[in-house]
Amino acid sequence: AQTVTQSQPEMSVQEAETVTLSCTYDTSESDYYLFWYKQPPSRQMILVIRQEAYKQQNATENRFSVNFQKAAKSFSLKISDSQLGDAAMYFCAYRSSATGTASKLTFGTGTRLQVTL
Amino acid sequence: ETGVTQTPRHLVMGMTNKKSLKCEQHLGHNAMYWYKQSAKKPLELMFVYSLEERVENNSVPSRFSPECPNSSHLFLHLHTLQPEDSALYLCASSQDWRGLPSGANVLTFGAGSRLTVL
Repeated sequence: AQTVTQSQPEMSVQEAETVTLSCTYDTSESDYYLFWYKQPPSRQMILVIRQEAYKQQNATENRFSVNFQKAAKSFSLKISDSQLGDAAMYFCAYRSSATGTASKLTFGTGTRLQVTL
Repeated sequence: ETGVTQTPRHLVMGMTNKKSLKCEQHLGHNAMYWYKQSAKKPLELMFVYSLEERVENNSVPSRFSPECPNSSHLFLHLHTLQPEDSALYLCASSQDWRGLPSGANVLTFGAGSRLTVL
């Protein structure tokens, strides 16, 4: 079974600085998807970024980028120029690309990010 | 209104009460999900519906009873709950539960219903 591990329960970053959130996963599959979701105090989970395992290029969405190391099974999220609105819980998630597994998102336990002035 | 809407936002109930959580999606998606989010634990998938048909039931106790009358609405009926059932219950929807050949089948979540069982 796949597992997702986020080893940092809490992180803090100063406004305008850069922070990296860690995520590792365990799988025997070669093709899959990885996601970072953000859950602000409003509680609504929002997709931040996603990565297809077959793509070597790291995904980027504005100030958010990932460092995807397939061999190491690592999928970290880098937030550049941090803003107060980035304060939230961040969840890393894994999904197999096999048909019939769309529902099986495996989540980590989350990292709470605090942004300070 | 767009996206995924959940009501109520907060619910407090006794162990003998019967209540329901409601989820509505306005995205034209075919699949809907219930997740349970407890503190310091990964999100737990409870149920998956595809076009009103239940396709996943992850060993959830019978005191939780889902209902999907149409592809836009999903309910979670609650009865004789236990204090350990207190959690945030998240609803989500996606285009297709099986996974699209070229897509990641991204889930869109609601803001959740915070349930407290006394």
